Amino acid sequence: DVKVTQSSRYLVKRTGEKVFLECVQDMDHENMFWYRQDPGLGLRLIYFSYDVKMKEKGDIPEGYSVSREKKERFSLILESASTNQTSMYLCASSSFRDRREKLLFGSGTQLSVL
Amino acid sequence: DAKTTQPTSMDCAEGRAANLPCNHSTISGNEYVYWYRQIHSQGPQYIIHGLKNNETNEMASLIITEDRKSSTLILPHATLRDTAVYYCIVSSTGTASKLTFGTGTRLQVTL
Repeated sequence: DVKVTQSSRYLVKRTGEKVFLECVQDMDHENMFWYRQDPGLGLRLIYFSYDVKMKEKGDIPEGYSVSREKKERFSLILESASTNQTSMYLCASSSFRDRREKLLFGSGTQLSVL
Repeated sequence: DAKTTQPTSMDCAEGRAANLPCNHSTISGNEYVYWYRQIHSQGPQYIIHGLKNNETNEMASLIITEDRKSSTLILPHATLRDTAVYYCIVSSTGTASKLTFGTGTRLQVTL
């Protein structure tokens, strides 16, 4: 089964900590995305990447950075976690070779910042 | 990308067709209509997409009006497992799936 795997299902961190959220896909997809999901706000795009070492800002990049050193792995970094970053984080990938360019999502990481 | 409007919630009896509407009155000529759904505690799942013509696959049918200002996702025989939040998204090609999800329609399928 092809899939997008997020390293943790639940994560609890303290304010000010540096947090790494990892995402790995096994489909050789070029494109990878990080979203956050909050009640009443839907999914919001944080960062995305079309290729290795490439990144572009989404709609809400403030307070986040990303790293894509290998094609299959896309990391989201919270440099100094704050309580307003408590959220569900979803990683997704897609391929230009798929004419539908459909997104495949991971199961999400519920991050709580205390 | 064009904005979409969906009802906040809908109910459907199991075995009946679920018809989920979406308005996208500002859609451009090169923009597709995508539908995804999100079952509780999971990531969103692609259902179907279309440009002008009606589309059907193993999951659902998509009906797009002739003026393309609205569309309807049809689940022909809804089951309890179809209970989810359904997102209608409009996006142009070449955006490599940089989709903007709204808050969607919460569909509750009941016995």
